[in-house]
Amino acid sequence: QVQLLQSGAGVKKPGASVKVSCKTSGFTFSNFGFSWVRQARGQGLEWMAWISAYSGKTNYAQGFQGRVAMTTDASTSTVYMELRSLKSDDTAVYYCVRDENGNSGWFYWGQGVQVIVSS
Amino acid sequence: QSVLTQPPAVSAAPGQKVTISCSGSTSNIGSHYVSWYQHLPGTAPKVIIYDNSKRPSGIPDRISGSKSGTSATLGITGLQTGDEADYYCVTWDTNLNTGRVFGGGTKLTVL
Repeated sequence: QVQLLQSGAGVKKPGASVKVSCKTSGFTFSNFGFSWVRQARGQGLEWMAWISAYSGKTNYAQGFQGRVAMTTDASTSTVYMELRSLKSDDTAVYYCVRDENGNSGWFYWGQGVQVIVSS
Repeated sequence: QSVLTQPPAVSAAPGQKVTISCSGSTSNIGSHYVSWYQHLPGTAPKVIIYDNSKRPSGIPDRISGSKSGTSATLGITGLQTGDEADYYCVTWDTNLNTGRVFGGGTKLTVL
């Protein structure tokens, strides 16, 4: 079955970086794209970034340009998201999501990881 | 401030019907499919409508979606206490490098 298992939760200091991973299984990794969605403390859901596992092409939300980077490792079917120059506002739950080919729905989500930015 | 506009909160009694609106523009809702997500605290969001009006397997037909012009609407009939959650609309926005955009979310309270 399709699984997206996230890791990388933790407490980070302001100005540091965090790299969250999303190990996938149960499907052909290179056939899909992946997004990262977060929910900051007290806020709504927010799309951050997308990557094609086939081509490595990325698309980043304007609010994260220059601070976020998505990569993939096809050998382990893992997607990574690195967020740099962390601020307290980046305290959030981060989800990886599989983008479906041919429809708009996000059917498969990781369990989410909590990143806390605090001095 | 979200690109897509949703009411912050709606409420209705069990068994009643509620609609949640999602208003956008020609660059987002007017040009792309809309999906809707139910988000319960401590869990990953769950898709309940995709491609404007399609229901995933396992989503009951008392949940519906529609789109007209630059607005989309989620409808839930026969409200149950288990429907109490946050609901979000999502689409793409051509003006934002065709990235995804969310509505601000609507808290549904079943009185």
